[in-house]
Amino acid sequence: GQQLNQSPQSMFIQEGEDVSMNCTSSSIFNTWLWYKQDPGEGPVLLIALYKAGELTSNGRLTAQFGITRKDSFLNISASIPSDVGIYFCAGLATSGTYKYIFGTGTRLKVLA
Amino acid sequence: DVKVTQSSRYLVKRTGEKVFLECVQDMDHENMFWYRQDPGLGLRLIYFSYDVKMKEKGDIPEGYSVSREKKERFSLILESASTNQTSMYLCASRAYGDYEQYFGPGTRLTVT
Repeated sequence: GQQLNQSPQSMFIQEGEDVSMNCTSSSIFNTWLWYKQDPGEGPVLLIALYKAGELTSNGRLTAQFGITRKDSFLNISASIPSDVGIYFCAGLATSGTYKYIFGTGTRLKVLA
Repeated sequence: DVKVTQSSRYLVKRTGEKVFLECVQDMDHENMFWYRQDPGLGLRLIYFSYDVKMKEKGDIPEGYSVSREKKERFSLILESASTNQTSMYLCASRAYGDYEQYFGPGTRLTVT
């Protein structure tokens, strides 16, 4: 099935650093969602975006809905050890659909 | 807070057994989903239910069936478990007209 490309695939960062990751698609989306998944757990919804250009924050997390509607970005500021996990995006192409397209995931490791 | 619960976190079953995975949500959501998550393949939709007794096949429905007799409960049934159904199973829900999808903690199923 189709998956969205996420970059980078994985990253090691030092505690306190800022982190950026993105998600790209070949098609246009109307909704972007960002999730965090810890090992052996279900994904937890972090941020939802509904409009091109929209910038939304949730604590130290900020996500943007790309202007082209084909990409989205997630930034984490001042990372802490509990930010470790897999972050993945999900897109919804049409408002009435139930078929989300999920990203391949970015694995984040934070060095204390 | 939305709460989606799944009946078991870990399950070990034998080939040929009938397996029931239960999911309950407490937010009166109309839509419920069953996914499986496998390394390298991401999340794949098995079935979707848009309301009580209503269902749609997802991308990989073969070998699975579902039941939605009550709004809060969505069951996934493996009619005759096979080893290639060893996976992480994730249930999710969302409100009708909303696009934020909330996941349960997952059930790690091993079929031997």
